[in-house]
Amino acid sequence: DIVMTQSPDALAVSLGERATIDCRSSQSVLYSSNNKNYLAWYQQRPGQPPKLLFYWASTRQSGVPDRFSGSGSGTDFTLTISSLQAEDVAIYYCQQYYGTPYTFGQGTRLEI
Amino acid sequence: QLQLRESGPGLVRPWETLSLTCTVSGGPINSVSHYWGWIRQSPGTRLEWIGSIFHSGTTYYNPSLQSRVTISVDTSKNQFFLKLTSVTDADTAVYFCASHLGFGEIWWLDPWGQGTLVTVSS
Repeated sequence: DIVMTQSPDALAVSLGERATIDCRSSQSVLYSSNNKNYLAWYQQRPGQPPKLLFYWASTRQSGVPDRFSGSGSGTDFTLTISSLQAEDVAIYYCQQYYGTPYTFGQGTRLEI
Repeated sequence: QLQLRESGPGLVRPWETLSLTCTVSGGPINSVSHYWGWIRQSPGTRLEWIGSIFHSGTTYYNPSLQSRVTISVDTSKNQFFLKLTSVTDADTAVYFCASHLGFGEIWWLDPWGQGTLVTVSS
């Protein structure tokens, strides 16, 4: 199985400040034939299902504010929120879809 | 716009079978560009992919659960189903159904259903 490890487990950031969440996979999720990273990011607010933020590691899902950005390749990925808003309080997960079983990071709890 | 909704018993007795239904609306389940998945989330643990199915009936299971899981689909009802046998306390979780986009391979999960809490208890 590909193990996804996020850091930190929890993060407190002031409103308007930058938040950075890292995700590392135990093996590369970059598919050489199409040069795509098989990695997604999700946001889960309390009592809600996960919501897709990014796919292919850096392609923003429609409707996601542009203060969110995804980056990285191979085994190391980053989710960045450039200017934290109150509604960004949530748990953030990375997930690889490179191979089965599809696996998630343990989650990063983002607080103000 | 696709919407998914889970339904089924919220309480299952130990060693019995957990059965859930996911009803898809806003699009056909026999889409060539979608797969359909089950994911669960236990308190204090990470999200766990259970398995996925294509409308043809082709299934993909998490090896950790494969011996106890069956996912099936009814295209006439636009529904797919989860059965998990011989449940224990460890199977207590919120169970989500979700759609995978994909063309010949399975990609990210979007959208997700709201989830349904299943508690295993006597």
